[in-house]
Amino acid sequence: EIVMTQSPATLSVSPGERATLSCRASQSVSDNLAWYQQKPGQAPRLLIYGASTRATGIPARFSGSGSGTEFTLTISSLQSEDFAVYSCQHYNNWPQTFGQGTKVEIK
Amino acid sequence: QVRLVESGGKLVKPGGSLRLSCAASGFTFSDYYMSWIRQAPGKGLEWVSYISSTGSSAKYADSVRGRFTISRDSAKNSLYLEMNSLRADDTAIYYCARHRIAIAGADPLGWFDPWGQGTLVTVS
Repeated sequence: EIVMTQSPATLSVSPGERATLSCRASQSVSDNLAWYQQKPGQAPRLLIYGASTRATGIPARFSGSGSGTEFTLTISSLQSEDFAVYSCQHYNNWPQTFGQGTKVEIK
Repeated sequence: QVRLVESGGKLVKPGGSLRLSCAASGFTFSDYYMSWIRQAPGKGLEWVSYISSTGSSAKYADSVRGRFTISRDSAKNSLYLEMNSLRADDTAIYYCARHRIAIAGADPLGWFDPWGQGTLVTVS
């Protein structure tokens, strides 16, 4: 099973600042990686698939990069609605696994 | 719009059973693989099971195989998860999600979009 490790666990950022979230796979997953946003009581929301392709309706301030074992989700200028938990997921083989999540909180 | 709404979660005793439902709307339900994904308190997301678009095949996580059964009713645009022999470590929010296939095959792989808002199962 591929283990997905996200860092940091919590990221404190001021509105308008840049946020950089990391996701590391225990072995290569090529570019078979997705990112999700979760807010309490809401459905998780797909942000990125294929490591760097934004899902429909996702603002351009969200960008994904990386391949192999190292991936990054960047939020260029944090808006109030972006404070949430972000999780990565690989779909390179079974079982598909998720990271533990990074909480982005207001500084 | 595309929408998934889960129901059926509740407090159940260890060893008990429960059936979760997921009502789909806004898309052709019978065209898509569907999955259940759960999140235990304070933990990350865990894929639980998927079912093929026709219902002819399914796959389960090791942690639930032999205890959980996924099914679907395309006439009702609904997905189900029958949960038996429930344990404390099954306590979680259970989400249904549409499975978007990126890598085709006997067990297709891909991401999940959209998700429902989840239903809470507590085993205690």
